[in-house]
Amino acid sequence: DAKTTQPTSMDCAEGRAANLPCNHSTISGNEYVYWYRQIHSQGPQYIIHGLKNNETNEMASLIITEDRKSSTLILPHATLRDTAVYYCIDPTSGTYKYIFGTGTRLKVLA
Amino acid sequence: NAGVMQNPRHLVRRRGQEARLRCSPMKGHSHVYWYRQLPEEGLKFMVYLQKENIIDESGMPKERFSAEFPKEGPSILRIQQVVRGDSAAYFCASSLRQASVGYNEQFFGPGTRLTVL
Repeated sequence: DAKTTQPTSMDCAEGRAANLPCNHSTISGNEYVYWYRQIHSQGPQYIIHGLKNNETNEMASLIITEDRKSSTLILPHATLRDTAVYYCIDPTSGTYKYIFGTGTRLKVLA
Repeated sequence: NAGVMQNPRHLVRRRGQEARLRCSPMKGHSHVYWYRQLPEEGLKFMVYLQKENIIDESGMPKERFSAEFPKEGPSILRIQQVVRGDSAAYFCASSLRQASVGYNEQFFGPGTRLTVL
């Protein structure tokens, strides 16, 4: 079972920032935190990953707490197309054996 | 720059038949992973292969399931004598790097939806 904890669902108004939290309290050492999303029933789509520092790319920002036990994915200006299930991958799952939890079902509202 | 390709996208089989799912990794990727997703659940790791080798099959049922990644051609996930409980979406992912400490970005295909009647 995944050792990450995410809210089951969240709503966000279109154009507003969506902040999706994830607890990964068992993280240690040099384990990366990965975020993916799954739109409808498509294959998971990579969003972002990080180790210690905050990260930003064209899709999102990732804020990792100093103790690395939790992180927040930020979609700065959510659109309807961002409606999806967002997965924080269990960083203790190893370098290749991704463990997906149940994720957060984000619904962006018009 | 083609992504990970999977075929067929949809597969219907009757109980007892065989299902063959194919996965072509991204160009230059020699590491392939198979995951299964039951309805309303997250993806579950099944097997990790490098060219001609099975590295980790700990998530794959011991019976009826097998996987291969030959030197030439796509990776194949084979399910013999399918049962209704095998109905699921099967996703393949590939990566460029050899699995190493900490970092391993995987790129996923669109999946094959298997329905067992």
